[in-house]
Amino acid sequence: SQQGEEDPQALSIQEGENATMNCSYKTSINNLQWYRQNSGRGLVHLILIRSNEREKHSGRLRVTLDTSKKSSSLLITASRAADTASYFCATDVRGANNLFFGTGTRLTVIP
Amino acid sequence: DAGVIQSPRHEVTEMGQEVTLRCKPISGHDYLFWYRQTMMRGLELLIYFNNNVPIDDSGMPEDRFSAKMPNASFSTLKIQPSEPRDSAVYFCASSPTQGNYGYTFGSGTRLTVV
Repeated sequence: SQQGEEDPQALSIQEGENATMNCSYKTSINNLQWYRQNSGRGLVHLILIRSNEREKHSGRLRVTLDTSKKSSSLLITASRAADTASYFCATDVRGANNLFFGTGTRLTVIP
Repeated sequence: DAGVIQSPRHEVTEMGQEVTLRCKPISGHDYLFWYRQTMMRGLELLIYFNNNVPIDDSGMPEDRFSAKMPNASFSTLKIQPSEPRDSAVYFCASSPTQGNYGYTFGSGTRLTVV
């Protein structure tokens, strides 16, 4: 399968703490993207990191990419209750013209 | 822009009936994708279009599924006849081009086949 796999499957933290989610994939990529999905809603694009980049920031989000290990991490700093959602990594695989989504991490931020 | 618009939001139908899901992509986006999401299989790509032309339909599960994009602002996904195992949330997404752009997803259609 070309799908990525997120780890952990579920994460529960207190408001204000940092949340880290990991993604592993199997094939060469053009870029890796992270999406958020609130319950009953569509996916929202958060951030994209290219294969030649190692780290990227956007507000409270920090993404790292290690192509040698075929892994990525998403860090959400100073979490808020509104961050409660499922988070998916998606890989833009070389040779394919679409994204392959992982299985997701369910994040719960407790107020 | 109102984003990607899908209709209906919810659909309940009886087994054997025809179901048509609709999608309006963001104006100017050349790529349109149909995904299906279930608890068991996660997000699966069904088919995608580039400039209204179907490029890859290898994810379409059976001949009961068909998709069309008659123009740049409208696409349909049809299931005929529907079966209970087709129950899922179906998402449409669009992208301006391939490579280094994120997708914009619609809110999805929750299909229940009884």
